[in-house]
Amino acid sequence: QKEVEQDPGPLSVPEGAIVSLNCTYSNSAFQYFMWYRQYSRKGPELLMYTYSSGNKEDGRFTAQVDKSSKYISLFIRDSQPSDSATYLCAMYRSGNTGKLIFGQGTTLQVKP
Amino acid sequence: GAGVSQSPSNKVTEKGKDVELRCDPISGHTALYWYRQSLGQGLEFLIYFQGNSAPDKSGLPSDRFSAERTGGSVSTLTIQRTQQEDSAVYLCASSLAREYQETQYFGPGTRLLVL
Repeated sequence: QKEVEQDPGPLSVPEGAIVSLNCTYSNSAFQYFMWYRQYSRKGPELLMYTYSSGNKEDGRFTAQVDKSSKYISLFIRDSQPSDSATYLCAMYRSGNTGKLIFGQGTTLQVKP
Repeated sequence: GAGVSQSPSNKVTEKGKDVELRCDPISGHTALYWYRQSLGQGLEFLIYFQGNSAPDKSGLPSDRFSAERTGGSVSTLTIQRTQQEDSAVYLCASSLAREYQETQYFGPGTRLLVL
């Protein structure tokens, strides 16, 4: 079993929809949680970064962490065709070398 | 400023050949990471450098894989006697430091195809 599980999709939504992306994890030592966005043939870029449990909002994006359930989410409001990409969740545990443990990634397509 | 750069962008090689992949991190970034992204897989950690030292090599899949970093800057990932299962995108990332989980900035990757 992988440490981080993420449904690969693909997920297709109409423009303007609210998108929910999720990951579950098994290691309770994870404390830092990130969402990366990866466009085709590009490297991942950091979207959201959350420490421990709670919510964080940045524009149309909201990241949620529920450590009790070992579950993290990324919500995208008013989705746009430019949001079409692969979204990767990633985690890190304090005291580690900084290596990130990634989910498989969810491919999102927003149709105009 | 310039981001992380990697070369070559694409590499096609024959099974059994050696390949070298290069990463130029962001200037001043002391931490450097190599990851591998295979079809249908997420990113898998390979190796971590702090300066020129590699305190974590736990992700290297076999002794055919090695990496070095010189001058606290450029890093080279070498794969000897390549196999078809080595086909993947190899991504490099750098960050200012490892304390408090500084943001890792990724390069565009090198797409390796082993025939």
